[in-house]
Amino acid sequence: KNQVEQSPQSLIILEGKNCTLQCNYTVSPFSNLRWYKQDTGRGPVSLTIMTFSENTKSNGRYTATLDADTKQSSLHITASQLSDSASYICVVPAQGAGSYQLTFGKGTKLSVIP
Amino acid sequence: EPEVTQTPSHQVTQMGQEVILRCVPISNHLYFYWYRQILGQKVEFLVSFYNNEISEKSEIFDDQFSVERPDGSNFTLKIRSTKLEDSAMYFCASSEQGATYEQYFGPGTRLTVT
Repeated sequence: KNQVEQSPQSLIILEGKNCTLQCNYTVSPFSNLRWYKQDTGRGPVSLTIMTFSENTKSNGRYTATLDADTKQSSLHITASQLSDSASYICVVPAQGAGSYQLTFGKGTKLSVIP
Repeated sequence: EPEVTQTPSHQVTQMGQEVILRCVPISNHLYFYWYRQILGQKVEFLVSFYNNEISEKSEIFDDQFSVERPDGSNFTLKIRSTKLEDSAMYFCASSEQGATYEQYFGPGTRLTVT
């Protein structure tokens, strides 16, 4: 069964600091990996989609990395802001290239404090 | 910016009753999805829909559930006879094309079954 494991489960950082969130996945064959941001009680919002050929992708202060050999991805947040407080979720298609079904990780709950 | 909308934002129903959750996907999108998120748990795929038929569904999507695109703009999820365990946040999503394309999520409908 395809798994997406994220760490840490939760994280508290000071405003202005950087942080890195981790994701390990087991889906095969690999198609793409997505990072979403989910505010409490809201729908997920896409941050990045990375395909097999991409090992780094940035979206503003968010930078995602992908190592398809080790099946690991990370999301690095630079100069954190209070508005970054949310859950960050790693997502992969469940059955590889042809699947519409997304498998979500449990997320890392990030709290940015003043 | 176009967005996915969902109504109602919160629905309370009694066990055994039928509910219909409504979604208006982004207008030029062709693929539609329903997900659910039980409080404190991860987002789970329910079903994907393309060209007026279900393209993929999960084990959760049993005979109690059905989806429909009754007109050119709405996409609905019906739960025939609700159970307590159906209480969750239900998210609709849409994408322009298929599996590797970005899925845009709505704000969700919180369903409470009493």
